[in-house]
Amino acid sequence: KQEVTQIPAALSVPEGENLVLNCSFTDSAIYNLQWFRQDPGKGLTSLLLIQSSQREQTSGRLNASLDKSSGRSTLYIAASQPGDSATYLCAVRLNSGGSNYKLTFGKGTLLTVNP
Amino acid sequence: DAGITQSPRHKVTETGTPVTLRCHQTENHRYMYWYRQDPGHGLRLIHYSYGVKDTDKGEVSDGYSVSRSKTEDFLLTLESATSSQTSVYFCAIYGGPGNTIYFGEGSWLTVV
Repeated sequence: KQEVTQIPAALSVPEGENLVLNCSFTDSAIYNLQWFRQDPGKGLTSLLLIQSSQREQTSGRLNASLDKSSGRSTLYIAASQPGDSATYLCAVRLNSGGSNYKLTFGKGTLLTVNP
Repeated sequence: DAGITQSPRHKVTETGTPVTLRCHQTENHRYMYWYRQDPGHGLRLIHYSYGVKDTDKGEVSDGYSVSRSKTEDFLLTLESATSSQTSVYFCAIYGGPGNTIYFGEGSWLTVV
């Protein structure tokens, strides 16, 4: 059974700091890995999706890397801003064939960026 | 934003009563999902659908049933609500060329 772990569970940083969120998974046979953002009382918004054949994806100040063999992904946030405060979740889709999209989620990292 | 609407958004119900949550999409996507989110557990898949009248169980399906009679609607039913089903329920859709999954805003359910 795939298990996804996110460390740390919570992180508080001053504005402007660069930071790294970690995600690890137990089954390396993944189809892709996705990072989401969740604001309080809201649904999830997809930030970055990395296919199993890719090493990293970038969007603005966000960079996500994937090391499938070691079962790890990192989300790097550059020059953090108070508006980045949210819960960040990673999720993996197993390489089970077909086009279904069943995801296994980590429990998330609660990020607080202090002005 | 993807066209996903969940209803009701908030509900308080009594133990033993039936409850139905509705997920409506305007994207004509094939796949629809119901997740629940709880502190300490993260998001867990309850049921999913891969087409009209085609559904399957997720990892926490006990006590829940689903139905999909139309592409746009996916219903989650708690036949006899229990306090352990107090949670936030999220619907999600997937399909089309976007190659990503979209989540609804959530339905907060409290069983007293």
